[in-house]
Amino acid sequence: AQKITQTQPGMFVQEKEAVTLDCTYDTSDQSYGLFWYKQPSSGEMIFLIYQGSYDEQNATEGRYSLNFQKARKSANLVISASQLGDSAMYFCAMRLLGRGRRALTFGSGTRLQVQP
Amino acid sequence: GAGVSQSPSNKVTEKGKDVELRCDPISGHTALYWYRQSLGQGLEFLIYFQGNSAPDKSGLPSDRFSAERTGGSVSTLTIQRTQQEDSAVYLCASSPFVGEGQDTQYFGPGTRLTVL
Repeated sequence: AQKITQTQPGMFVQEKEAVTLDCTYDTSDQSYGLFWYKQPSSGEMIFLIYQGSYDEQNATEGRYSLNFQKARKSANLVISASQLGDSAMYFCAMRLLGRGRRALTFGSGTRLQVQP
Repeated sequence: GAGVSQSPSNKVTEKGKDVELRCDPISGHTALYWYRQSLGQGLEFLIYFQGNSAPDKSGLPSDRFSAERTGGSVSTLTIQRTQQEDSAVYLCASSPFVGEGQDTQYFGPGTRLTVL
């Protein structure tokens, strides 16, 4: 069974600085996808970024980038130039690809607080 | 376009009663998922529907939980004889099902269920 570990229950960052949220995963499958979602206090899960296990380049989406280190089984989210609106819970998730497998497995999340 | 919608947003019920939670996916999305988010268990997959295929029910915690999807669109999650441990936020997601790659799941705002 696959597992996602987020070891930082809470993080603080100053506005305009960069922050890295850690995510490690465990699976014996070779084909998988990694996702990051943001959950503000309103509760809705917002998709941020995706990395496939066979993607050779790290994914980027605006201020979000994913530091994918396959050998270490880590998929850290980097947020550049933090904004007050980035304060939220962040979840790392994984889905095994192929054979009809669709369920996302989530980590326990990291609460990020951006300070002015 | 419209996102995933869920109703009701909040539901308070008494132990032993049955409840029905509704999800309306993004138009054109053929895959629909239910997850549960609770303080003790984090985010857990419950069930997945894709087109006319048999649903993946592997995440349902007990036979008190069931779900159906009518006409390939709206889905209803039913919890019979509710227990206090069923208190959680129930999240619905949908995806376009574009194959075994990224196929991002987009989430609704959730239904907060409280069992007294």
